[in-house]
Amino acid sequence: EADIYQTPRYLVIGTGKKITLECSQTMGHDKMYWYQQDPGMELHLIHYSYGVNSTEKGDLSSESTVSRIRTEHFPLTLESARPSHTSQYLCASSDSATGEKLFFGSGTQLSVL
Amino acid sequence: QKEVEQNSGPLSVPEGAIASLNCTYSDRGSQSFFWYRQYSGKSPELIMFIYSNGDKEDGRFTAQLNKASQYVSLLIRDSQPSDSATYLCAVSMDSNYQLIWGAGTKLIIKP
Repeated sequence: EADIYQTPRYLVIGTGKKITLECSQTMGHDKMYWYQQDPGMELHLIHYSYGVNSTEKGDLSSESTVSRIRTEHFPLTLESARPSHTSQYLCASSDSATGEKLFFGSGTQLSVL
Repeated sequence: QKEVEQNSGPLSVPEGAIASLNCTYSDRGSQSFFWYRQYSGKSPELIMFIYSNGDKEDGRFTAQLNKASQYVSLLIRDSQPSDSATYLCAVSMDSNYQLIWGAGTKLIIKP
């Protein structure tokens, strides 16, 4: 079944640790996105990709990095986690042929102590 | 700065009534309009999209677009408790531009 997967679902980690949030989609979508969302707040775009080897920063300043080596995989890495990084991270994908209809993964709730 | 505005709510509607959610946007060049539903603790899910002025119906949902007045609405007929969620409005100029998101309206359907 075509879908978009995020792991881990929950992550509690100490300050200064390096973490990678995984995102994979099996829908063959060319576009992928990372959003950050705090409870009751709007979505903020932190990174996006229009295809393999294409990555761009979004509107929200972020200390994270992303890579897009394969179409289906779009991991997000924090080199040194801080408490200010505590948030929900949502991965999404879309097919440029059908416009900006985004499909979201289940999200990763990150807590940095 | 491009903006999408929504009333944060909560909007409380009795079961079986029509829920009306509104969204205004600032960029006159906007071309694509989306409504996403987000249950508490879950990810957003696309429920409606509209590109042309007028109404678009899908089951109990109707999206209404008025580009001259720069607003888009979502009507939910025969509201059910399962419709209780936050509804996010998103707007885009075209596929080469990122979505601009509203902060969402929390909808509560009272049994």
